[in-house]
Amino acid sequence: ETGVTQTPRHLVMGMTNKKSLKCEQHLGHNAMYWYKQSAKKPLELMFVYNFKEQTENNSVPSRFSPECPNSSHLFLHLHTLQPEDSALYLCASSHRQGEAFFGQGTRLTVV
Amino acid sequence: KNEVEQSPQNLTAQEGEFITINCSYSVGISALHWLQQHPGGGIVSLFMLSSGKKKHGRLIATINIQEKHSSLHITASHPRDSAVYICAVNSGGSNYKLTFGKGTLLTVNP
Repeated sequence: ETGVTQTPRHLVMGMTNKKSLKCEQHLGHNAMYWYKQSAKKPLELMFVYNFKEQTENNSVPSRFSPECPNSSHLFLHLHTLQPEDSALYLCASSHRQGEAFFGQGTRLTVV
Repeated sequence: KNEVEQSPQNLTAQEGEFITINCSYSVGISALHWLQQHPGGGIVSLFMLSSGKKKHGRLIATINIQEKHSSLHITASHPRDSAVYICAVNSGGSNYKLTFGKGTLLTVNP
C-alpha cells in the first residue's frame, strides 16, 4: 500500500464510450502525475499537476482530458479512444524533488 | 536511442545469488530513481539518489555522476525479488518529469 489509490483497477470500454479514471492520495503531496505504460515500452509521462495547476502536457491527444479539482484528487477523462490506447495507466504523487509514490494502476482495454 | 538505458533486459538467477542491474543515462540529472514493479502493475519506489550509495535491507544502489551510471544490487536474492526493476531520472531542469528506462525483468528461481 503506497498511499495512492486508483480506481477502477480494470476497465474495458468501447471506442465510443466515455469513462473516467480516478486517483486519490492523502500523503500531503503537492504534485500528481498520470503515466501510460504500453507493452514493451518505457513508462511515458502524460500530465503533471502541481498545486492543482497543470505544469506538463506531454503532447497527449485531446481524447485524454485530465482534471485536478484539488491537491488530493486527479482524474483522467477518456472519450473516443482507440485500441492502441489500451495500456496500464498509472497515477503517482510526490513532493517537489521528492520520491514518487505510485498507485496500482488501471488496466485499460479499448475494444 | 532512449535517454535511459538499462541492462540486462532480462535476468534469471538462482536463489541466493548476488544480482546487479545497470542503468546508464545520457542527460544531466538532478536525481535518479530505482523502482520495482510486480506483476499486476503496482510500482514501488526503492531508492532516490543523486550521489554516492544507499542501502536498504538487501538492496544497494550506487550512482557515479561523472560516468552517468547507476547500479542496483540485490544480495542473497530470493524468489520474492522477482519483478521488473526500472531506472528513472529527473532531467531537463524539471523537478517533476521522470524519464524511464525500459526495465529489467528479474526472475529468481528457488
